[in-house]
Amino acid sequence: AQSVSQHNHHVILSEAASLELGCNYSYGGTVNLFWYVQYPGQHLQLLLKYFSGDPLVKGIKGFEAEFIKSKFSFNLRKPSVQWSDTAEYFCAVISFQRGSARQLTFGSGTQLTVLP
Amino acid sequence: DTGVSQDPRHKITKRGQNVTFRCDPISEHNRLYWYRQTLGQGPEFLTYFQNEAQLEKSRLLSDRFSAERPKGSFSTLEIQRTEQGDSAMYLCASSLLETGIYNEQFFGPGTRLTVL
Repeated sequence: AQSVSQHNHHVILSEAASLELGCNYSYGGTVNLFWYVQYPGQHLQLLLKYFSGDPLVKGIKGFEAEFIKSKFSFNLRKPSVQWSDTAEYFCAVISFQRGSARQLTFGSGTQLTVLP
Repeated sequence: DTGVSQDPRHKITKRGQNVTFRCDPISEHNRLYWYRQTLGQGPEFLTYFQNEAQLEKSRLLSDRFSAERPKGSFSTLEIQRTEQGDSAMYLCASSLLETGIYNEQFFGPGTRLTVL
């Protein structure tokens, strides 16, 4: 079965610091990869997704992620965080298996706190 | 508001009682998913519908859980004889199935269930 690992459970940064959140998945076949964000009191929203092509994908609010197939990784980055980026971030994967529901498999999440 | 809505937002019940949650997807979306999220974890897939047909159920979905989508629009998730371990956030998501295309799953705000 596929799984997703997010190694950082809680990250605390000051404004303007650079961010990198790790995500590794375990599945050898074709995958689609996602980062979702959940701001305090709000529902899950899609930040960015990777399907194919350029392994460096850009999402909303200045976020980007790089797919490294050899490392089974899809790390999220932002050069300069803002206080408003305080949220929980979830990495997720969909694997393309015959008959699969295409349901998302999520990591356990990383809580990002940005100090003003 | 044209997003996914869920009702109620919070439910407190006593162990052994039955509860029912409702999800209204985005109107043209033909796929509807239920996920469960416990504290400190990412959402876990429970089941999904394509129109009114329930096509897949997770092993997490015990016999006490039942879901319906009678007219291919809204969906209900019922938990019978609730247990304290059922306490979680229940999330609904919807997407539009188009052949050969993966479309984003849009999430609702969730129903937080507390079983006393």
